Amino acid sequence: DAGITQSPRHKVTETGTPVTLRCHQTENHRYMYWYRQDPGHGLRLIHYSYGVKDTDKGEVSDGYSVSRSKTEDFLLTLESATSSQTSVYFCAIQSGLASGNTIYFGEGSWLTVV
Amino acid sequence: TQLLEQSPQFLSIQEGENLTVYCNSSSVFSSLQWYRQEPGEGPVLLVTVVTGGEVKKLKRLTFQFGDARKDSSLHITAAQPGDTGLYLCAGADYGYGQNFVFGPGTRLSVLP
Repeated sequence: DAGITQSPRHKVTETGTPVTLRCHQTENHRYMYWYRQDPGHGLRLIHYSYGVKDTDKGEVSDGYSVSRSKTEDFLLTLESATSSQTSVYFCAIQSGLASGNTIYFGEGSWLTVV
Repeated sequence: TQLLEQSPQFLSIQEGENLTVYCNSSSVFSSLQWYRQEPGEGPVLLVTVVTGGEVKKLKRLTFQFGDARKDSSLHITAAQPGDTGLYLCAGADYGYGQNFVFGPGTRLSVLP
């Protein structure tokens, strides 16, 4: 158990509305990630954070923003949700180098945009 | 661009059979991870391999990291229905950062 909690776990929202997904970790890891997983595309990196207020874009960042005001929380915001953002979103943390540079995933947030 | 390929993409076998899935790349990784993902859940880490040629065993699962750290294999002995799931490999670049590359996965179905 990597101590990662995602909320909400399931959400249905309407096109054009803002949505925020929250990732909370209990083990003070520096690196946190947001991925989306879609059939035919696998896991794709949206944004990542390497510290409080330090974030960077991933492969599929358009339409998403993130914030990290505390070490333990990493928020993913869809400013104006679109149907193409219907997906399952996974938060992840990176363990220390002594463990072999591994990432651990949360349980996922299923988002449906109608 | 680093890419990881996995084969086979789909595999359906009977309980008790053995199987091997492969994860291949032209890139060198500092470490490689294998995950199993079940429907409705996040990927769960099975193993991390770090050293070229390393072999790790987890009960009936045997993982091997290629000598050149570009490929890996997962062998399951006497598969059980509980082994059913999506198996993902992921390669990590050196150091901290966003450089994790994921394979597309092998979807395994073990029939009773």
